[in-house]
Amino acid sequence: DTEVTQTPKHLVMGMTNKKSLKCEQHMGHRAMYWYKQKAKKPPELMFVYSYEKLSINESVPSRFSPECPNSSLLNLHLHALQPEDSALYLCASSQAATLADTDTQYFGPGTRLTVL
Amino acid sequence: AQSVTQLDSQVPVFEEAPVELRCNYSSSVSVYLFWYVQYPNQGLQLLLKYLSGSTLVKGINGFEAEFNKSQTSFHLRKPSVHISDTAEYFCAVSPTGGGNKLTFGTGTQLKVEL
Repeated sequence: DTEVTQTPKHLVMGMTNKKSLKCEQHMGHRAMYWYKQKAKKPPELMFVYSYEKLSINESVPSRFSPECPNSSLLNLHLHALQPEDSALYLCASSQAATLADTDTQYFGPGTRLTVL
Repeated sequence: AQSVTQLDSQVPVFEEAPVELRCNYSSSVSVYLFWYVQYPNQGLQLLLKYLSGSTLVKGINGFEAEFNKSQTSFHLRKPSVHISDTAEYFCAVSPTGGGNKLTFGTGTQLKVEL
């Protein structure tokens, strides 16, 4: 089973709202990722968690706040977003025993976010 | 640093015809190579990957790719496409030295027509 689940599938929010995206995997993977994908573009890495610790932050604005409560869950908290933040947000996971290893990332279906 | 070039932004092809999607990469270190497919309004699905060993890699849905180190290429092929293969295809690389950072190409839209 290589399934990564994401909720919700679609989210519409105003610029003053606070919302959260959720990602879950039960493959025993120890690395989890958030990507942002604009239309007709490749995914862009936002954050990487390894062993529930934030290991990479690609200079993402603070209105995006990641959280990894346990090894199976990854959240992305959203606050005071801008219309240009509208995009498909993808979660991924990989086995990655350490960051010295490189292995396959498995992606979820994504959350389509629209900021009004 | 790594970079990935997918020269063809769109590839139209008739059903049951063969197809090749091109991918070239640039890197100062050894890399692992991946092809992902993204169907409309969905996430990315791994098609195949090259980590080591045989340079001809077979993936899901009848796709295969060949790693050519001298030409720094990893082209994706399928001998006979189906309407359901219509999707966006991304080539990606990550350094063998670790870091778990995928670098994606800009994608190729494969459009299969009747």
